[in-house]
Parts: sequence; structure tokens; C-alpha cells
Amino acid sequence: EAGVAQSPRYKIIEKRQSVAFWCNPISGHATLYWYQQILGQGPKLLIQFQNNGVVDDSQLPKDRFSAERLKGVDSTLKIQPAKLEDSAVYLCASSLDYRQPQHFGDGTRLSIL
Amino acid sequence: AQSVTQLGSHVSVSEGALVLLRCNYSSSVPPYLFWYVQYPNQGLQLLLKYTTGATLVKGINGFEAEFKKSETSFHLTKPSAHMSDAAEYFCAVSHSGGYQKVTFGTGTKLQVIP
Repeated sequence: EAGVAQSPRYKIIEKRQSVAFWCNPISGHATLYWYQQILGQGPKLLIQFQNNGVVDDSQLPKDRFSAERLKGVDSTLKIQPAKLEDSAVYLCASSLDYRQPQHFGDGTRLSIL
Repeated sequence: AQSVTQLGSHVSVSEGALVLLRCNYSSSVPPYLFWYVQYPNQGLQLLLKYTTGATLVKGINGFEAEFKKSETSFHLTKPSAHMSDAAEYFCAVSHSGGYQKVTFGTGTKLQVIP
């Protein structure tokens, strides 16, 4: 089966610019996750979708981050405006449901200048 | 509330030696426990999971972990390290019974010395 697809793989922007990441989960997976992984740390959940509804966005900085999952399939994560501390790898994962193991994409490495 | 503690951010072993990566968890209800591996510039890949039943869990690539409730531990082991095992390993905890997000530890980077 095809894995979780993410794009772009790398992105370099200047602070205060905006950026968007895209994720295509494994077909049939109802649950989709976005994580932020700062160098040397474990992944931190930003937002979790069940189909196209938000289950958990308690750690999403809503003043600058937004995410959507249209039609319960693909998802986009946006940062506007970006800050230096947003430099990280953004990982997308999907699972059949929240109790099942997650399958991860290769991530987008974001560098803020 | 739940949390995961991984002892040792870096572990070095010789090729052929035993691998032991430590994980302790905190959870107010019976946990689901996971070990994931992350190779450079890649996402995380599931190694093994414990939900219920047998406390010794076997995973991919010869790894296994034992759930010890009395010690609140879920340590990862492999009898003989291979060069290809060099990666970062993450322990994670969740649980059944309604929504609960997965909480990841801070990771242990494994170095294998030839």
C-alpha cells in the first residue's frame, strides 16, 4: 500500500512569511495527525483529525497556525506569519482510527531565516 | 495525564552486543505502549506495540520489549546489534477507553560501533 505522502520535503523562508504543507494519508485512514518535531525532541502533536473533524488542537498555536482536512482525505497545515522558533520538521501521520498505530510520512523540514 | 521518560538521550553499543533502550511511563489507566524508530531524514516507523495480553512483545528487525506493570517500564531490547540499527528510537504511550492522544518520549539515539 502507498504510504503517507508529504510535500514539500524542504522549505526555507524568512520570518514573517507564510508557508503551507500538504499531506495525503493512506487510503481509508480516518485519523490524521500533524506533529512538530524540533531538533533533539520527540514529536509534539499539533492537531488531530477524525475524518474532517478536529479531535484535538490543544497544542496548536492558533494565532499563527491553521490546518484543514477537506473531504476527510488530504490535509494542509499553514503557518502565517512564521517565527524563528517554528524551525522544525513537520510530520504527518495517519491511522485507521485513534487506537491503531500511526503511519508517518517523511516530513517537511522547515528552516526560518 | 500520561507521560514517557526515556533514560539516556544517546546510547552506544558495539556491533553484536546487546541493545537495551529504557522507557518508563506514567498513566492513570492501563496503557497502550509503542516503540517507533526514526532513521535520518525519515518519518517514524512502528517497531512494536503492547495493548493487552502477552507482556513480552516481539517486533520487527529482531527487537522485543517487555511490559512490566510493577515497574511501569517498557524497555526495548535486541540480543545482537547490527550497524543498520543505528537510528533514533521513541517510546510512546496512549490508552484505550475513549480518545487519548499518543505522547512521545524525547528519544534515544543509538550508535553502533563496528
